[in-house]
Amino acid sequence: DAKTTQPTSMDCAEGRAANLPCNHSTISGNEYVYWYRQIHSQGPQYIIHGLKNNETNEMASLIITEDRKSSTLILPHATLRDTAVYYCIVRPYSGGGADGLTFGKGTHLIIQP
Amino acid sequence: DGGITQSPKYLFRKEGQNVTLSCEQNLNHDAMYWYRQDPGQGLRLIYYSQIVNDFQKGDIAEGYSVSREKKESFPLTVTSAQKNPTAFYLCASSISRDGNQPQHFGDGTRLSIL
Repeated sequence: DAKTTQPTSMDCAEGRAANLPCNHSTISGNEYVYWYRQIHSQGPQYIIHGLKNNETNEMASLIITEDRKSSTLILPHATLRDTAVYYCIVRPYSGGGADGLTFGKGTHLIIQP
Repeated sequence: DGGITQSPKYLFRKEGQNVTLSCEQNLNHDAMYWYRQDPGQGLRLIYYSQIVNDFQKGDIAEGYSVSREKKESFPLTVTSAQKNPTAFYLCASSISRDGNQPQHFGDGTRLSIL
């Protein structure tokens, strides 16, 4: 599976957009980009995923570069409850690698009041 | 509400005891998974199941066992053979095991050794 690189931590002011980058330069054509977040002592929460096109849902937007080597998760209006560790994961469409999610260290996003 | 329920939230085990962690989902998902998370670390896959009466070992299955007798239930037994069982255990489910289907997680069970 392709590996991902994320900043260790980021700050964002409440009410502003939080932009979380992820590098996945070795991603292959059949691998999806997934984003999860985990608040301390809770299970990971699914946010969004995509293959090539940009995606948006009620929680966030996912921008994937044309070469697919990097992506950005955008939380449009961050609130204090968005403080969490955010994980960027690449996952193949099928095969053994599609079963387990490989969580790295993630980005600790801190929303400042 | 639809979701994944893990119980109990906290569990204590004596040395040499087996203990079973419960995971129930009412999402009508075919695939279910068990992960282990250690402090400051990512998740590691223990077992997964694509369908009732079928399950496969993940990356760290030694010392664990599972069953999948019903679609909605996937209990995990931590046996006495698991040498370092203290961890945060997470159950997840997805519509299928395809990589295009997101896994959704329960709130976990924290297991400690007395």
